[in-house]
Amino acid sequence: DAGITQSPRHKVTETGTPVTLRCHQTENHRYMYWYRQDPGHGLRLIHYSYGVKDTDKGEVSDGYSVSRSKTEDFLLTLESATSSQTSVYFCAISDGVGVEAFFGQGTRLTVV
Amino acid sequence: ILNVEQSPQSLHVQEGDSTNFTCSFPSSNFYALHWYRWETAKSPEALFVMTLNGDEKKKGRISATLNTKEGYSYLYIKGSQPEDSATYLCAFTDGGSQGNLIFGKGTKLSVKP
Repeated sequence: DAGITQSPRHKVTETGTPVTLRCHQTENHRYMYWYRQDPGHGLRLIHYSYGVKDTDKGEVSDGYSVSRSKTEDFLLTLESATSSQTSVYFCAISDGVGVEAFFGQGTRLTVV
Repeated sequence: ILNVEQSPQSLHVQEGDSTNFTCSFPSSNFYALHWYRWETAKSPEALFVMTLNGDEKKKGRISATLNTKEGYSYLYIKGSQPEDSATYLCAFTDGGSQGNLIFGKGTKLSVKP
């Protein structure tokens, strides 16, 4: 398995609180991605990173911010969690564009 | 917003049947097309990545083709087995991006013994 770890794996939080999810890799891959998985929507790209401090928005970036201060870590922050952000979040890594991506195990986030 | 469409949404076949799915994507500014297999309670795993028009890839009983000019890719499974039951996802990278990876909603395959 690719060395990719998501933390926490499960979290319940209250509406209005900030939440940070972490994706950590040991593969030294350049690209890192954050997705959310919702019934009927498949995987939707939130943000991605193409290098340290280089990030871009995906399809559903509103309400989310990201940071990548070092190659191995990609953080996803919900500044003020809402119930609509209840979802399963997946991180993925890739060594290049047009190269297969490897996925983490997912983080189940519930906003109550 | 880039649109990656997959059809059918779901498919039920008998063991031994051969089947195929379609992925449609924007034909302009193409860079790469991926196929992933996603089993319940697991994470998606890559099957193929294709970048050239006319590419054909094969892994065991599963194969894929790519037509970038018309914006579609087919995934074929020959002689389906119950263990092939999964959701099959395609994903598109736009050549105008910094390396995005946009997924379709997937085709859920169920193979009955």
